[in-house]
Amino acid sequence: GQQVMQIPQYQHVQEGEDFTTYCNSSTTLSNIQWYKQRPGGHPVFLIQLVKSGEVKKQKRLTFQFGEAKKNSSLHITATQTTDVGTYFCAGLRDSNYQLIWGAGTKLIIKP
Amino acid sequence: KAGVTQTPRYLIKTRGQQVTLSCSPISGHRSVSWYQQTPGQGLQFLFEYFSETQRNKGNFPGRFSGRQFSNSRSEMNVSTLELGDSALYLCASRRGVTSTDTQYFGPGTRLTVL
Repeated sequence: GQQVMQIPQYQHVQEGEDFTTYCNSSTTLSNIQWYKQRPGGHPVFLIQLVKSGEVKKQKRLTFQFGEAKKNSSLHITATQTTDVGTYFCAGLRDSNYQLIWGAGTKLIIKP
Repeated sequence: KAGVTQTPRYLIKTRGQQVTLSCSPISGHRSVSWYQQTPGQGLQFLFEYFSETQRNKGNFPGRFSGRQFSNSRSEMNVSTLELGDSALYLCASRRGVTSTDTQYFGPGTRLTVL
């Protein structure tokens, strides 16, 4: 079935370093959504990308949707302790608008 | 506008028992999805309901069931509990099931099976 693969599973960075997580789908997606889950919390919607090749920015966060609408990335510049958490991508399946979730990337800031 | 609410927030059950979890979506939202999240795991999709009908279902055994009421509130039931059912159960609502509808999660119900 349709899957969304997300890598890496974990990333340890020093505060101030950059962070990137990638999502790849086996088939074309209608759109892709990104969520952040803080430790002990629940996933919170960050952004949605709809158009092929779309790039959106939220302060230090940059989101990209691939030209083929099969892959996406989230890049955080100069990480801060407030960025700690797990970042999930979720692709919207064209046929029935079901969200297919990536496994998440856990961002850990090294002290 | 009130967010998604889930009750109870915490539950402790023993093997073989059954449990019912409740979710109230954001006002005006007609879709409710349920997810299971275990430590270190991602979000495992259970099912989605829209207008009282199950639209999509994940790969969980028949012990996991759900329903949605006319006011869009949803319940999830797990029968014959197993130790492996210990998890955070998250409910998420969205306005509809179109391409632009995003999900809003509740705080979750943490179920512990002893």
